[in-house]
Amino acid sequence: QQPVQSPQAVILREGEDAVINCSSSKALYSVHWYRQKHGEAPVFLMILLKGGEQKGHEKISASFNEKKQQSSLYLTASQLSYSGTYFCGTSISSGSARQLTFGSGTQLTVLP
Amino acid sequence: EAQVTQNPRYLITVTGKKLTVTCSQNMNHEYMSWYRQDPGLGLRQIYYSMNVEVTDKGDVPEGYKVSRKEKRNFPLILESPSPNQTSLYFCASSYGQGPYNEQFFGPGTRLTVL
Repeated sequence: QQPVQSPQAVILREGEDAVINCSSSKALYSVHWYRQKHGEAPVFLMILLKGGEQKGHEKISASFNEKKQQSSLYLTASQLSYSGTYFCGTSISSGSARQLTFGSGTQLTVLP
Repeated sequence: EAQVTQNPRYLITVTGKKLTVTCSQNMNHEYMSWYRQDPGLGLRQIYYSMNVEVTDKGDVPEGYKVSRKEKRNFPLILESPSPNQTSLYFCASSYGQGPYNEQFFGPGTRLTVL
């Protein structure tokens, strides 16, 4: 089952902040965040693991609430280059499955 | 240069004509996946592999086959393509035997089935 992302779309002015949310109905082991620009492959932003470990780019901030199976990506002081579609991907915490399931995306547009 | 390569990048074919999309990575990654991307549906995992000779179904495996005979290669096979398999396909790889690290994506293969 796909994680649910919200909002589906957001429009910002340069310098404004945004939060993108990702929630799952299953207990999660990892949450991934990627950004994709039109016509290109997704690019890694951050991964958050059960237990608190985080790996990613220094300028990206995210949180992972394991109890609520929710994650949020925080984009502060947005720049034009932040425009694109943001995807969260989740892997579950139980069993032998090693799937990575992505949400349907959040389209972010940053205007000058 | 560390990379994931896919071939072909673009393919137009007809219903029922078997095809293979190749994926290769030069980073010695254990975990490899195939995704399809359709408007409004995000990335959906087709198959994944945790290591050589170990593969498993993702969320949308119907109509696809994979094999992992070498660590670097993970081809996607459509034995009898149908128009509903028209999509943008991405291969990805990462360290470890699960999706616990950064996924490196290939450039994508745009497939049209007529």
